Amino acid sequence: TQLLEQSPQFLSIQEGENLTVYCNSSSVFSSLQWYRQEPGEGPVLLVTVVTGGEVKKLKRLTFQFGDARKDSSLHITAAQTGDTGLYLCAGESGGYQKVTFGTGTKLQVIP
Amino acid sequence: NAGVMQNPRHLVRRRGQEARLRCSPMKGHSHVYWYRQLPEEGLKFMVYLQKENIIDESGMPKERFSAEFPKEGPSILRIQQVVRGDSAAYFCASSPTGGTNTEAFFGQGTRLTVV
Repeated sequence: TQLLEQSPQFLSIQEGENLTVYCNSSSVFSSLQWYRQEPGEGPVLLVTVVTGGEVKKLKRLTFQFGDARKDSSLHITAAQTGDTGLYLCAGESGGYQKVTFGTGTKLQVIP
Repeated sequence: NAGVMQNPRHLVRRRGQEARLRCSPMKGHSHVYWYRQLPEEGLKFMVYLQKENIIDESGMPKERFSAEFPKEGPSILRIQQVVRGDSAAYFCASSPTGGTNTEAFFGQGTRLTVV
C-alpha cells in the first residue's frame, strides 16, 4: 500500500510569513500533484510535477519534486489569508489518474 | 464549459436505505474517478470508469457498493443498505483521457450523512 505522509498536519501562521509543507513517501511516483481544498468544495489542482528534481513556481508558491520522485515540498512566500485551506499532495503511479492522496495539511493564515 | 457536476450536494439516508450519487463529467471527458473522504482524512480512491466499463475498482468495498458509467447519462455510485460508517464526502473527478499526467477535475462532492 502506498502511503503519502504530509507534515505538518496543521499550521497556523500570521499573514506575511513563509511556510513549507512536506509530502513524503517510501514509494516512487511517476508524477506528483498538489491540490488545495476549501471547506465544502472539491480539491482544485495547483500543479503537477513530473521530473525528479523539478521545481515549479506559481506566483508565491514554489513546488519541488524530490530527485528520487518519492517526496515533494510546497513553499509559500508571504502567506495571505486567501491561502487558507487544506493542501493535499497526490502521487500517481498506476498509469492513469488513480492517485494516492496524502494525509493533508490544514493551513490557516491569520490577518 | 460547465465543470464536473455532482448531485445531490447533501444526502441524508437512514440506516438500511440506498444512496445514489450522480456525477456528470466535464464535456468531452470520458474517464471518471470516484473518491471518498472521511472526516479529517484524505481522499481515498474507489473506482475508475470509462464509458460503460469499469477499469479499476480496487478501492471499492466488496459489498453494498457499485458504480456505473452508462453510454448515456451520468456516472452513478450506488450504496445499498447504508450504515453509519458510510457517512463521508464522495468526490467525482473526470479527465479527457486516461493516460499518465492527465489532469483530472473534481466536482464539489456529495456529503452523505447516514442517521
